[in-house]
Amino acid sequence: ETGVTQTPRHLVMGMTNKKSLKCEQHLGHNAMYWYKQSAKKPLELMFVYNFKEQTENNSVPSRFSPECPNSSHLFLHLHTLQPEDSALYLCASSLRQGFGYGYTFGSGTRLTVV
Amino acid sequence: ELKVEQNPLFLSMQEGKNYTIYCNYSTTSDRLYWYRQDPGKSLESLFVLLSNGAVKQEGRLMASLDTKARLSTLHITAAVHDLSATYFCAVVTGTASKLTFGTGTRLQVTL
Repeated sequence: ETGVTQTPRHLVMGMTNKKSLKCEQHLGHNAMYWYKQSAKKPLELMFVYNFKEQTENNSVPSRFSPECPNSSHLFLHLHTLQPEDSALYLCASSLRQGFGYGYTFGSGTRLTVV
Repeated sequence: ELKVEQNPLFLSMQEGKNYTIYCNYSTTSDRLYWYRQDPGKSLESLFVLLSNGAVKQEGRLMASLDTKARLSTLHITAAVHDLSATYFCAVVTGTASKLTFGTGTRLQVTL
């Protein structure tokens, strides 16, 4: 375990469903990130939160809605997804957003949209 | 827009052989990370390279950074099967310290 826990590990959902991904860390980090990892594509940064404030939205469609209630928890709410959204969703954290702070990644949630 | 390119994308190598993975990036950065990912697992941080000429070694892996050439290398010495994984480089840019990943190199070490 890396210290960043993601649940669930696997998720299959229909295009009309609503589901949420959860990420939790107790490393004392204040920055949290969502990345999308698709087959044969580089990891894509989706959202960044620094001290609970969203600092980056990398042109992510509105069917993905992040939530960061505190520095230890990060959610990704999903609704009306498309099959091309099937991917591995990785959460990461760092001490804070800025140079020199390494990222710790969770194990990811493998999402399949049917 | 920053581009981070790795080559090769796939590498099959025999145990005991040496090889190098290359990571090129398109804009100025003086901080580069190498990660390892096993199938179905998280990304594990291997190295962080902080300045031009930086070299770090851990076991059979050695990473280096040339910021002038915008190039980092990950050298594998006398490969063993346990090194089979996907290796990513990632470059930090901007005041927001955005981490941009390369496409990854899938390494397969065969007996």
